[in-house]
Amino acid sequence: AQSVTQPDIHITVSEGASLELRCNYSYGATPYLFWYVQSPGQGLQLLLKYFSGDTLVQGIKGFEAEFKRSQSSFNLRKPSVHWSDAAEYFCAVGAGQAGTALIFGKGTTLSVSS
Amino acid sequence: NAGVTQTPKFRILKIGQSMTLQCTQDMNHNYMYWYRQDPGMGLKLIYYSVGAGITDKGEVPNGYNVSRSTTEDFPLRLELAAPSQTSVYFCASSDWDRNNEQFFGPGTRLTVL
Repeated sequence: AQSVTQPDIHITVSEGASLELRCNYSYGATPYLFWYVQSPGQGLQLLLKYFSGDTLVQGIKGFEAEFKRSQSSFNLRKPSVHWSDAAEYFCAVGAGQAGTALIFGKGTTLSVSS
Repeated sequence: NAGVTQTPKFRILKIGQSMTLQCTQDMNHNYMYWYRQDPGMGLKLIYYSVGAGITDKGEVPNGYNVSRSTTEDFPLRLELAAPSQTSVYFCASSDWDRNNEQFFGPGTRLTVL
């Protein structure tokens, strides 16, 4: 069965420091992978997605993620965190077919300290 | 485009009451979804629709009903509200050529007391 694991429930990073949020997936075929961000009281906003091709994908707000098939991972990175990045981050996997649901991880809450 | 809109933003229900959560999208997307989000649990799919007149159950459909009479609207109905349905509900939509990329509404926070 498809599943997504985000091992870190909560991470605190100093402003200006680098960030890496981990995501591991379980899926039989080539997965379609997504990172969403949710600010408090808001809906989910797509940060980036991987369908095929280059395994390093760039997203909005300076985020990037790298797909590593051998490790079944799709970790999210940012070289320098801003206070406004404090939010909850969700990794999700899809079957690549429109009309099918996404499977979400449980999320990682990012706090940014000054 | 407004994208995906949901009403109401907040609602408190008493046990046994019923209500409908509204969801509308103006992107002409074929596919629409209802998820619920519980603290520390991510999002779980309740129901989805692949087009007007076609709906199907997701992972956690019990206690809910949906209909899809138009492309734009996908209301979620709670018939007999229970405390276990206290959650944040998100509606999403996607198009046939967007490879699962889903666009989310702002959510409805529901409390059942």
